[in-house]
Amino acid sequence: QQQVKQSPQSLIVQKGGISIINCAYENTAFDYFPWYQQFPGKGPALLIAIRPDVSEKKEGRFTISFNKSAKQFSLHIMDSQPGDSATYFCAARLANQAGTALIFGKGTTLSVSS
Amino acid sequence: DSGVTQTPKHLITATGQRVTLRCSPRSGDLSVYWYQQSLDQGLQFLIQYYNGEERAKGNILERFSAQQFPDLHSELNLSSLELGDSALYFCASSVGPSNTIYFGEGSWLTVV
Repeated sequence: QQQVKQSPQSLIVQKGGISIINCAYENTAFDYFPWYQQFPGKGPALLIAIRPDVSEKKEGRFTISFNKSAKQFSLHIMDSQPGDSATYFCAARLANQAGTALIFGKGTTLSVSS
Repeated sequence: DSGVTQTPKHLITATGQRVTLRCSPRSGDLSVYWYQQSLDQGLQFLIQYYNGEERAKGNILERFSAQQFPDLHSELNLSSLELGDSALYFCASSVGPSNTIYFGEGSWLTVV
């Protein structure tokens, strides 16, 4: 119930195309859904995040779509660029009085070909 | 640069040994988190500390332990190491439990 399922595992997109990564969750106690971007040899870095009371959030070329009833959310990268080639992780936060844990999907390796 | 500092960056050790990984959180951050990243398991949450106290526990093995010191730096101790413990260990920090979590660049542990 605490899992976050992410797909696809890998994705190849042409420069200028749209990259779409999907995630699904079961636990309705999750209260925050960030996406992290990780380049080789680096730690994950926050890209964009959304709360469950919002259906869409856009920051530049990156958009999160959130479907609360379906318990799904997705990352769209518009006009994908070679510099976007990285591993993307969706995550969900479980918070209670005791503490907080970010539960991550297994990641999607995106390659943008020029 | 996230501001989270981890040492050492790389470590090679033998099975059965014990190692300590160190983390200095961003200035002002009270929460520290430890994650393990492996190819097959992805990013696994291990443990969270807030202002010196353990707050949340994830998939942390009994052979592993952590602590957060009064100066807010944290250490992750890994003992009786096995080949399967080879992974990238990340420390992350945030101001508080509800704030954005920032990751360090990780400590690569190789157990031979």
